[in-house]
Amino acid sequence: SQQGEEDPQALSIQEGENATMNCSYKTSINNLQWYRQNSGRGLVHLILIRSNEREKHSGRLRVTLDTSKKSSSLLITASRAADTASYFCATENSGNTPLVFGKGTRLSVIA
Amino acid sequence: GAVVSQHPSRVICKSGTSVKIECRSLDFQATTMFWYRQFPKQSLMLMATSNEGSKATYEQGVEKDKFLINHASLTLSTLTVTSAHPEDSSFYICSAKGPYTDTQYFGPGTRLTVL
Repeated sequence: SQQGEEDPQALSIQEGENATMNCSYKTSINNLQWYRQNSGRGLVHLILIRSNEREKHSGRLRVTLDTSKKSSSLLITASRAADTASYFCATENSGNTPLVFGKGTRLSVIA
Repeated sequence: GAVVSQHPSRVICKSGTSVKIECRSLDFQATTMFWYRQFPKQSLMLMATSNEGSKATYEQGVEKDKFLINHASLTLSTLTVTSAHPEDSSFYICSAKGPYTDTQYFGPGTRLTVL
């Protein structure tokens, strides 16, 4: 079953612009993770943010988590054409439970 | 980061045949492995969770006799699609998790096409 929704479903921006993707979920979580998937390929882990964290950075990526609103956002700054991919959030409810994925956002960065 | 491989990356088979997909953790011991399937332009749907040395736990609606999962060692899990039919055509992705991490590492996926 899917935990929540990503918003928007699709996003098209110009190279150099920032891209913001949002994720909402339904139940309490242990952590939330963001993944990238290029077309027809496997998933690449981007960032994990724990339920007691509010913000995390990794290079051009910034992730926020608001557990009161059960939502997270992924910001990609200064986007590049190579950032074109689908981005998924996934939640883990407790220690060894499987990830539950959102529906994903398809990002297109136009050069 | 940790590396997970899948083999084969792509397979085409005739309806009624069985197909085995391997998932290996190359540089860590995976106490838990997960199998997902993904239809075009959709998200990943969990099929089953397997812990080394024990039977897999299947998600509701996934036929355990059709999708046989074996996790015989800490570095290898296999998914066998038995008597495959065209509706089984999909992208199958495994992930692996070690005992001391929250992060799941995903394999590159296997594209199954059943004719």
